[in-house]
Amino acid sequence: KAGVTQTPRYLIKTRGQQVTLSCSPISGHRSVSWYQQTPGQGLQFLFEYFSETQRNKGNFPGRFSGRQFSNSRSEMNVSTLELGDSALYLCASSLEGRLNTEAFFGQGTRLTVV
Amino acid sequence: AQKITQTQPGMFVQEKEAVTLDCTYDTSDPSYGLFWYKQPSSGEMIFLIYQGSYDQQNATEGRYSLNFQKARKSANLVISASQLGDSAMYFCAMREGGFTGTASKLTFGTGTRLQVTL
Repeated sequence: KAGVTQTPRYLIKTRGQQVTLSCSPISGHRSVSWYQQTPGQGLQFLFEYFSETQRNKGNFPGRFSGRQFSNSRSEMNVSTLELGDSALYLCASSLEGRLNTEAFFGQGTRLTVV
Repeated sequence: AQKITQTQPGMFVQEKEAVTLDCTYDTSDPSYGLFWYKQPSSGEMIFLIYQGSYDQQNATEGRYSLNFQKARKSANLVISASQLGDSAMYFCAMREGGFTGTASKLTFGTGTRLQVTL
């Protein structure tokens, strides 16, 4: 069974640009969550999509957005990149995103903003 | 207040020894789940073990066990017979159930870096 796939693995972007990250969840999983990991702030929840609808959202500015397609694949977009957006972005896949269901993570996309 | 507290930034353990990584949590929700993840230098978060707030027994998964003390709000991870490959960052995380039960968000602690030595 294939795991969670995130593409690309590495990205270098310039301030002011926009970027799109992709996440393919485990087959059959309908919940996809996104997290930002930085040395200063640790792991922070961005948002969660379930059956193409945003179900939960963290405390991030509107420059961070996402969507989910009918095949459960999800994309995350960051517009007008800032230096502080440099981070490891992790995607987590769950069957339903319920309390006791495991969240399986991808290897992450490491974004560097210069 | 921090929802998940991991007070050990770094730990050393000798190969084949057992090690306990501490985690305390704070929630007023009676329904919650506690998770431990391992993050090697490659970046991927690897699920290790889960404990539900209503589970009567401590969870175990192979060499991993969770010492769940509900009254003290602690959920320590015990790794038995440490191996060199266990060297990594370890994160404790919590999902709170809420009324709807659609507890999608994981709240993470700051992590503990474990180094296994020969």
